[in-house]
Amino acid sequence: SAVISQKPSRDICQRGTSLTIQCQVDSQVTMMFWYRQQPGQSLTLIATANQGSEATYESGFVIDKFPISRPNLTFSTLTVSNMSPEDSSIYLCSVARVQGPPYEQYFGPGTRLTVT
Amino acid sequence: AQKVTQAQTEISVVEKEDVTLDCVYETRDTTYYLFWYKQPPSGELVFLIRRNSFDEQNEISGRYSWNFQKSTSSFNFTITASQVVDSAVYFCALSVIGSSNTGKLIFGQGTTLQVKP
Repeated sequence: SAVISQKPSRDICQRGTSLTIQCQVDSQVTMMFWYRQQPGQSLTLIATANQGSEATYESGFVIDKFPISRPNLTFSTLTVSNMSPEDSSIYLCSVARVQGPPYEQYFGPGTRLTVT
Repeated sequence: AQKVTQAQTEISVVEKEDVTLDCVYETRDTTYYLFWYKQPPSGELVFLIRRNSFDEQNEISGRYSWNFQKSTSSFNFTITASQVVDSAVYFCALSVIGSSNTGKLIFGQGTTLQVKP
């Protein structure tokens, strides 16, 4: 497994503002992902954070709304831009040590975001 | 299309009862991986188990056991002698192998388990 930390753990933001969430891993990992969990819902993959290149976004998610950086093998950020109340969710980062089977992912503690 | 269905939205049991959480998946891939995660009230997702499509052996870990049946596309999870600390949301997930050999997890809707003392 890996020790994953996220900052902030929670925040309350006003609509129209942006928030950057940080994900730090205690050792180098190959894959990093960002998920969203809306209230009472399941997890949905936002994007795969690629080191040194643009993130790979899933259908329904765009870079202008959720810009992602990954400058090295242990750190990534997700920004939620121009927020609206619909962005209120838990945002989780996950990591996988290898880019192949068994595709096991470990998750950070999550960032609880409330947009008012 | 790949899909994971957890038909049980909420389950409530009394401590020491056994409980089974159902998971049914859909995929056309012949190689795939299945997972169970636990999300306690604190919110973090805890990895419980991984299974690949070629290994149908059931697995037991303490009070936890898993029953994988390819014939019915099911990967059910049983907690024996449940405890209050087992109260959480449990997610079943399927790994979809992308074009770059990256594993994307498709999650079920989750089952909320409440264990009453």
